[in-house]
Amino acid sequence: KAGVTQTPRYLIKTRGQQVTLSCSPISGHRSVSWYQQTPGQGLQFLFEYFSETQRNKGNFPGRFSGRQFSNSRSEMNVSTLELGDSALYLCASSPQGGSYEQYFGPGTRLTVT
Amino acid sequence: QKEVEQNSGPLSVPEGAIASLNCTYSDRGSQSFFWYRQYSGKSPELIMFIYSNGDKEDGRFTAQLNKASQYVSLLIRDSQPSDSATYLCAVNNANYGGSQGNLIFGKGTKLSVKP
Repeated sequence: KAGVTQTPRYLIKTRGQQVTLSCSPISGHRSVSWYQQTPGQGLQFLFEYFSETQRNKGNFPGRFSGRQFSNSRSEMNVSTLELGDSALYLCASSPQGGSYEQYFGPGTRLTVT
Repeated sequence: QKEVEQNSGPLSVPEGAIASLNCTYSDRGSQSFFWYRQYSGKSPELIMFIYSNGDKEDGRFTAQLNKASQYVSLLIRDSQPSDSATYLCAVNNANYGGSQGNLIFGKGTKLSVKP
């Protein structure tokens, strides 16, 4: 099976702009979770989508949003970018979510200048 | 806030030695436990998972789980320089999500294997 894919892999944006990141999960997986990873902060949970519904949401401001399509592909959007949004954004695919294992994509490295 | 605690390291071991990585967790209801390896600049890679008390072996890796002590460990036998990475412990959130998500991750232990 093909693994999790994320596009783009690298992105440079300016403060105030918005950005959309895309994730295609492993075939047959219905749960997609998004994480932000920064040095010293570890993995911080953003949200989880399952069957096109947001099932869980982390403690991030409303500038961070996402959605999932009927084919399980997911997108996340960050509006009004801030310097502190510079991070590695990781998408993780899981068969069902919950207590099941998660498989990470390669990530999108976002730099905000 | 449920927590997963790991020693940040760095843990330095000589090539060929056994590396022992430890993790404790606060959610007594957790049932699934995972170890991820993350090389610098890369994404986490799932290397082991364990659900039952005791040991689970996969090649040079052994995961050990003690639910009574809320402790999970990863042993790497015959450590190689290519094992040098950050190892993340993850535990399922018994409440199935919420603001912390389905899996709660530790901040990782950095392992360095010296030739």
